[in-house]
Amino acid sequence: GENVEQHPSTLSVQEGDSAVIKCTYSDSASNYFPWYKQELGKRPQLIIDIRSNVGEKKDQRIAVTLNKTAKHFSLHITETQPEDSAVYFCAALRPGQNFVFGPGTRLSVLP
Amino acid sequence: DAGVTQSPTHLIKTRGQHVTLRCSPISGHKSVSWYQQVLGQGPQFIFQYYEKEERGRGNFPDRFSARQFPNYSSELNVNALLLGDSALYLCASSPFPGQSLFYPPQPQHFGDGTRLSIL
Repeated sequence: GENVEQHPSTLSVQEGDSAVIKCTYSDSASNYFPWYKQELGKRPQLIIDIRSNVGEKKDQRIAVTLNKTAKHFSLHITETQPEDSAVYFCAALRPGQNFVFGPGTRLSVLP
Repeated sequence: DAGVTQSPTHLIKTRGQHVTLRCSPISGHKSVSWYQQVLGQGPQFIFQYYEKEERGRGNFPDRFSARQFPNYSSELNVNALLLGDSALYLCASSPFPGQSLFYPPQPQHFGDGTRLSIL
């Protein structure tokens, strides 16, 4: 079955710097990759997603890139702000299967 | 527009007891999935239901069961509770099953979860 790895497990950046979180997946048939942000004690919230027919997608300060050949996708956050501090989860979905989530990355944005 | 709602928010049980968790999906969403999130880990898939039928089951023991009602709400039942069942149980809804071969991939929208503690 699908296996999703996520790196780094923790990430600290200075406010205003960029943050990059990378996920790798094992099943080349997976075709949908969402990213979720989970603040302490709150629900995971979808922040951006990408389908396998697209290489990059951007929404203001957040972007996701997908490399199907290498089977990895990355979350890019530019101009980080303290409110970006949270745990970020990636996930992969293969048609006919169910979502598989990565273990999460704890991002701390230092003022 | 109301999001996914779950009840109760917190629950404390002892080993051997059983528990029922409830979920109401976003209006118009027909698919409900259940996840277990242990502290410090990503959500682990337990079940997915669509149109009252089970569409997927994760690697969880038979002590875990679920069902979906005609109004698309859902219940997750866990019997013979173990200490290791302590976790945040998340419900997620989507218009259609995320893994369907007939619809484009669908994002899942999560509820706030039920924090289950086993003593």
